[in-house]
Amino acid sequence: QVQLQESGPGLVKPAETLSLTCTVSGVSITTDYWSWIRQPPGKGLECIGYIYYSGVTNYNPSLKSRVTISVDTSKNQFSLKLTSVTAADTAVYFCARKVGDNWFDPWGQGTLVTVSS
Amino acid sequence: DIQMTQSPSSLSASVGDRVTITCRASQNIRTYLNWYQQKPGKVPKLLIYTASSLQSGVPSRFSGSGSGTDFTLTISSLQPEDFATYYCQQGYSTPFTFGPGTKVDIK
Repeated sequence: QVQLQESGPGLVKPAETLSLTCTVSGVSITTDYWSWIRQPPGKGLECIGYIYYSGVTNYNPSLKSRVTISVDTSKNQFSLKLTSVTAADTAVYFCARKVGDNWFDPWGQGTLVTVSS
Repeated sequence: DIQMTQSPSSLSASVGDRVTITCRASQNIRTYLNWYQQKPGKVPKLLIYTASSLQSGVPSRFSGSGSGTDFTLTISSLQPEDFATYYCQQGYSTPFTFGPGTKVDIK
């Protein structure tokens, strides 16, 4: 079955760059679209953006100036970079597959990233 | 961006109750509406896609309906494992947006 697993630092300093990787297993990353979603502690869900294996991306305009999503088909992975982070970027970051008419399934287990000095 | 609202924001119910959660979109999203269940500290789980299609493996007590701007998630007979927060999400246009969630807890 399709599984996703996020990895990366759990603590990032303010003004630095948050970098996460999602490893996909059970399916080739060359199918479907692959996305990043985040959830601040105790709050709701926000779509960050998504990527197709060809490199085509779509970013949330609220984050677009700071976000880069990339894909490595040789490793069946895709990655997130978020620059100039602040405390407001503290959240659980999920990777997920975007399916069909734009629903998300499955999701990775999520990884908490805290922005703090 | 399309704004999603949900009502109520929380509700208390008993096992066996019929529960209805409403989601409203700020513009017509046809049937591009999905529902997720999230338990504390856990990953959101897809329940319903395109407004009324039940995801494989999801119990049939869950159902969805609606189109345009108004949608409903119904749990026909609440079970102990259904106490969670439920989110709607529009897939009509980017950025895809989620509702603020409805927390269902034990009465």
